[in-house]
Amino acid sequence: DIQMTQSPSSLSASVGDRVTITCRASQSISSYLNWYQQKPGKAPKLLIYAASSLQSGVPSRFSGSGSGTDFTLTISSLQPEDFATYYCQQSYSTPVTFGPGTKVDIK
Amino acid sequence: QVQLVQSGAEVKKPGASVKVSCKASGYTFTGYYMHWVRQAPGQGLEWMGWINPNSGGTNYAQKFQGRVTMTRDTSISTAYMELSRLRSDDTAVYYCARDPAAAGARAAYYMDVWGKGTTVTVSS
Repeated sequence: DIQMTQSPSSLSASVGDRVTITCRASQSISSYLNWYQQKPGKAPKLLIYAASSLQSGVPSRFSGSGSGTDFTLTISSLQPEDFATYYCQQSYSTPVTFGPGTKVDIK
Repeated sequence: QVQLVQSGAEVKKPGASVKVSCKASGYTFTGYYMHWVRQAPGQGLEWMGWINPNSGGTNYAQKFQGRVTMTRDTSISTAYMELSRLRSDDTAVYYCARDPAAAGARAAYYMDVWGKGTTVTVSS
């Protein structure tokens, strides 16, 4: 199975900050990397698919980059509604695997 | 609008089975794969497998092989996930989630629409 790691595991940031979350795969997954946002008690929401494609309806302050084993999710200007946990997920091979999550909270 | 409505919370004893339903609306149910993903309390996300609602074909994560059965009823646009021989560590929120790939193509293995989740508690 492909192992996914994320860093940091948590971060504190202020509204307006630029936030970067890193995801690493245990082997090359090309661009088969997706990002989700999850708020407490809610289902995950797809933000980015195929490493850098913005899901319809997702604000443009979210962006993704990377290929191979190293990927990044960037929030260009953090908004109050962005405080949540973010998960990466590889769709290169089964079983599909998710990273452990990065919790973004208010500084 | 595209929507997945899941069945209500369940409490089961160890060794029992649970069957969770997921009713799709707002799109052609048979046109897209359906995944099942679970999340234990305070933990991350774990993929269980998918069903192709058109063909009924399934692909289960090896971890759940022999214990999980995914089925569908196309007449009511509903997918089902049944997990047997429940253990306490099966306590989790179970989500159904649509794959954006057409059912006639290879699954994309990511999820663009999610149900709200069904809480399954396994306790003696």
